[in-house]
Amino acid sequence: AQKVTQAQTEISVVEKEDVTLDCVYETRDTTYYLFWYKQPPSGELVFLIRRNSFDEQNEISGRYSWNFQKSTSSFNFTITASQVVDSAVYFCASSTGANSKLTFGKGITLSVRP
Amino acid sequence: EAGVAQSPRYKIIEKRQSVAFWCNPISGHATLYWYQQILGQGPKLLIQFQNNGVVDDSQLPKDRFSAERLKGVDSTLKIQPAKLEDSAVYLCASSVTGTLYGYTFGSGTRLTVV
Repeated sequence: AQKVTQAQTEISVVEKEDVTLDCVYETRDTTYYLFWYKQPPSGELVFLIRRNSFDEQNEISGRYSWNFQKSTSSFNFTITASQVVDSAVYFCASSTGANSKLTFGKGITLSVRP
Repeated sequence: EAGVAQSPRYKIIEKRQSVAFWCNPISGHATLYWYQQILGQGPKLLIQFQNNGVVDDSQLPKDRFSAERLKGVDSTLKIQPAKLEDSAVYLCASSVTGTLYGYTFGSGTRLTVV
């Protein structure tokens, strides 16, 4: 069974600060996929990134970057120069891909203050 | 491209009443999922369909929950009778043919059982 742990529950930062959201996963599969989703107050889940287990390259997309480390089973997400619009709940999730069910962590509530 | 459509957006019912939620996936997406998201937690899969067949319903409380996808397109999730602990957001998602590509969530139905 897969498990995703997001130990941080709430983070509050001031605008323009950098912030890192932690994600630790557990799986016995050699092939798996990791995701980050954003859930703003409106409630929909917005896809941010998908990464497969064979690709450990870090990825940067604008102010967002992801650090995937198989050695520590972590897939951390950093927002650089945070903005008020980044305020949301962020979920890390995993999937084996075999049946494509997503297993989510409990989420991290990020508040960015002006 | 139209997204995953869900209705209603909100629903308040009394315990022991019944309720139904509707989902229309993205056109061409053969796989459809229903997730339950209790406040403060990550979404949890209730049931997964591939076309009109059930792939995974291991976490569906079958004594009170039912779901169907008769023509392999839209789907209905029903709760009868509802309990207080069923208060949650019910999210529908769809993806291309059981893969992780185009995995898109709807805006959800927020159910409150009083």
